[in-house]
Order: sequence, then structure tokens, then C-alpha cells
Amino acid sequence: ETGVTQTPRHLVMGMTNKKSLKCEQHLGHNAMYWYKQSAKKPLELMFVYSLEERVENNSVPSRFSPECPNSSHLFLHLHTLQPEDSALYLCASSHGTSGEYNEQFFGPGTRLTVL
Amino acid sequence: GQNIDQPTEMTATEGAIVQINCTYQTSGFNGLFWYQQHAGEAPTFLSYNVLDGLEEKGRFSSFLSRSKGYSYLLLKELQMKDSASYLCAVKDSNYQLIWGAGTKLIIKP
Repeated sequence: ETGVTQTPRHLVMGMTNKKSLKCEQHLGHNAMYWYKQSAKKPLELMFVYSLEERVENNSVPSRFSPECPNSSHLFLHLHTLQPEDSALYLCASSHGTSGEYNEQFFGPGTRLTVL
Repeated sequence: GQNIDQPTEMTATEGAIVQINCTYQTSGFNGLFWYQQHAGEAPTFLSYNVLDGLEEKGRFSSFLSRSKGYSYLLLKELQMKDSASYLCAVKDSNYQLIWGAGTKLIIKP
């Protein structure tokens, strides 16, 4: 039990669909992250929220839209995706975003397939 | 640019020792992390190094040399359950984690 949960675990969607990924952390952390993990590639940081405010947006296409209603919940809204967006989407949380340590705790991920 | 290099895949025998290397070139350094990720599961934290030297934690040890931009993860007394991907990540001057692509470790009986 990592303390970070993600739903759904698997998602198949067409390019014209709209769907949302959900992440919840039960660790009392103040920072949450969305990562994209593609096969044999480094983890790509997509978005960072600290105390519910977005602090990082690494040039992610607008078809990905994050939402952080409170420090325990994070959403990733998806619309008009492309097949190259198929990947494992990981959510993570940590105590904060600055400082040397700040270990990140990961959820199990959502395996997304775009047809 | 910032870069983390680690081997794509390694194979080792159950009961043996394996060393997974990681070299990095980043704008600043604020610590190096190793994570383990089993197929289809979340990455889990293994170790953190911010000072030069060896950190030992049971069967796993992690070494850091900041002057060489180099780290390794040493796994002893390998077990079949150690088959996983091992991810190296460095915190840069902005405290952002820069990730390697991971090393897939295959353990054979």
C-alpha cells in the first residue's frame, strides 16, 4: 500500500472521447505530480501542484488539462488525444517541491491506450 | 541539456551480485534517488544519496561520486523477486527530478 491510488487502472479511448484520470493521496502531502511513462523512455514530468497551485507545466499539449481541487486529489482531463499519447500515466506526491530530500511516492498508474 | 544514462538491460544469476551504473549531467545537484519498479506497478523508493560515499540498506547499497557525476546501485544475494526496472533520478538546481530511462534487471535461476 503506497498511499497513492489511481483510477482507472486501464483505459482505452478513441481520439474523439473525453475522459478523466483520478489520483488520490492519503499521506498528508502538499505536492502532487503527473508523469507520463513510455516504454524505454525516462519519466516525463507533466504537471506539478504545490498546495493546490500549479507550479510546473512542462510544455504539455492543451489536450491534457490538470485539476487539483485540494491537496489530496489530482485529476488529468483528456480530450482529442492522439495514438502517441498511449502510455502509463503515473501520479506521485511528496511533502513539498523544494528541498533536497522530498521522496516522491507513486501510484500504480493508469495504462492508457488511444485508438 | 540534462542527461541521465543507465544501461537498458542487465541479466544476473540468483544468489549473485549485480551493479547497476548511472551517470548524470545536470544543471546543479541536490541529491540522487534510486527507485525500483516491477512490471505494471508503481515505482518504489530504494535509496537517496546527497554526499559522496556508500549508503547500505540490507541487500541493497548505493554509491555516489559527485565529482565524477556517477552513482551505482549494488544488489547482493539476488532473489527472483529482484527482477524489475531500476530508475536513477537526480534533483537539479531547481529541485526538479531528472529521470533516467531505467535498467531492466532480469534474474535467472
